[in-house]
Amino acid sequence: SYELMQPPSVSVYPGQTARITCSGDASPKKFVYWYQQKSGQAPVLVIYEDTKRPSGIPERFSGSSSGTVVTLTISGAQVEDEADYYCYSADNSGNYSYVFGPGTKVTVL
Amino acid sequence: QVRLQESGPGLVKPSETLSLMCSVSGYSISSGYYWGWIRQPPGKGLEWIGSVWHSGNSYLNPSLRSRVTISVDKSKNHFSLNLNSTTAADTAIYYCSRSYNWNDVGAFDVCGQGTMVTVSS
Repeated sequence: SYELMQPPSVSVYPGQTARITCSGDASPKKFVYWYQQKSGQAPVLVIYEDTKRPSGIPERFSGSSSGTVVTLTISGAQVEDEADYYCYSADNSGNYSYVFGPGTKVTVL
Repeated sequence: QVRLQESGPGLVKPSETLSLMCSVSGYSISSGYYWGWIRQPPGKGLEWIGSVWHSGNSYLNPSLRSRVTISVDKSKNHFSLNLNSTTAADTAIYYCSRSYNWNDVGAFDVCGQGTMVTVSS
């Protein structure tokens, strides 16, 4: 089955930059979406279509794509950014099936 | 502003059917978007269950397809999830969702608060 790969954890000091990668081997490449999930809360979309930011999401969140790797960057991380981050994309089947990555725990030290 | 609210039993016996409803307010299901379900077992990651268009056409996770039905009731502006032959592995928080545009089946930008369902005798 199709899988997306993410690092299990990333630590960052307040004000520093956190980068979370997501890799998959879909061909052709599919758009990746990023969700933030704080403890006990529903997931929130922070980046869609690899690089776009929904309204209301702080500018410090950005997305980039290079080859099969998509990266979520938090520039100037804040304490309130501590959460689990999941990448999400369609799989390789072409049958409208979607998968989440395993999630990355971002700790703001 | 669209709002989603899940409802249903919090406890289901093994082998029985898990049935949840998502009530939609602030938007008519008949007007568009895909409406979906996601779940999260305790302490684990997120899993896409499936999505449905207002016409009733549904798209399901292959690993659950044989046990899942997602349907819409346009007259009541809600959509439902049925998952049969449940086991303890189906214990999870279940979230209902709305797609972020009319074209994308799975990606969502609106989510309910989630409802915990435990499968246990």
